[in-house]
Amino acid sequence: IAGITQAPTSQILAAGRRMTLRCTQDMRHNAMYWYRQDLGLGLRLIHYSNTAGTTGKGEVPDGYSVSRANTDDFPLTLASAVPSQTSVYFCASSVGDNQPQHFGDGTRLSIL
Amino acid sequence: GQQVMQIPQYQHVQEGEDFTTYCNSSTTLSNIQWYKQRPGGHPVFLIQLVKSGEVKKQKRLTFQFGEAKKNSSLHITATQTTDVGTYFCSFSGSARQLTFGSGTQLTVLP
Repeated sequence: IAGITQAPTSQILAAGRRMTLRCTQDMRHNAMYWYRQDLGLGLRLIHYSNTAGTTGKGEVPDGYSVSRANTDDFPLTLASAVPSQTSVYFCASSVGDNQPQHFGDGTRLSIL
Repeated sequence: GQQVMQIPQYQHVQEGEDFTTYCNSSTTLSNIQWYKQRPGGHPVFLIQLVKSGEVKKQKRLTFQFGEAKKNSSLHITATQTTDVGTYFCSFSGSARQLTFGSGTQLTVLP
């Protein structure tokens, strides 16, 4: 079934550790996105990529990095995790920018 | 800068009652999208509105885009327990990326 796969589903991580959240889509969508969702704050864009080889900063990019080496994969890396990065992380993709987005099931991340 | 308010933040209704959520913008929007997120789930795209005054229907859901393209609404007729979730509007913000509203959390009491 076509869609977006995120891994891991959940993770508990010690502060200061490095963590990469994986996101893979098989719909050949050009654009991909990473959001964090915190209670009462809705979805906030962290980083995005309009096409393979390009990335851009969203609303809350600090402490996160991304890469887009190919169309299908868009990993999100926390170089040195801090407790304020405890959140649910969603990866999404769309045919192009501002087009309807398809979301993965999310990764629930807790930083202790 | 562009500001979009989504109201109400929370809504409790008795099953069978109607429900409406609104998104209001300080500036003209090029388009607006609506998503639904079930508890514990991920956002799912419902509809996109592009034209001034546009009205679209999906079964019991009616979506409207204002004449001035500054506001939009989602109306659910005769709510059911399956309608429970958070409804988000989203719109083109800075850098041509979608910005999501804060959402309206709908609870349907049986």
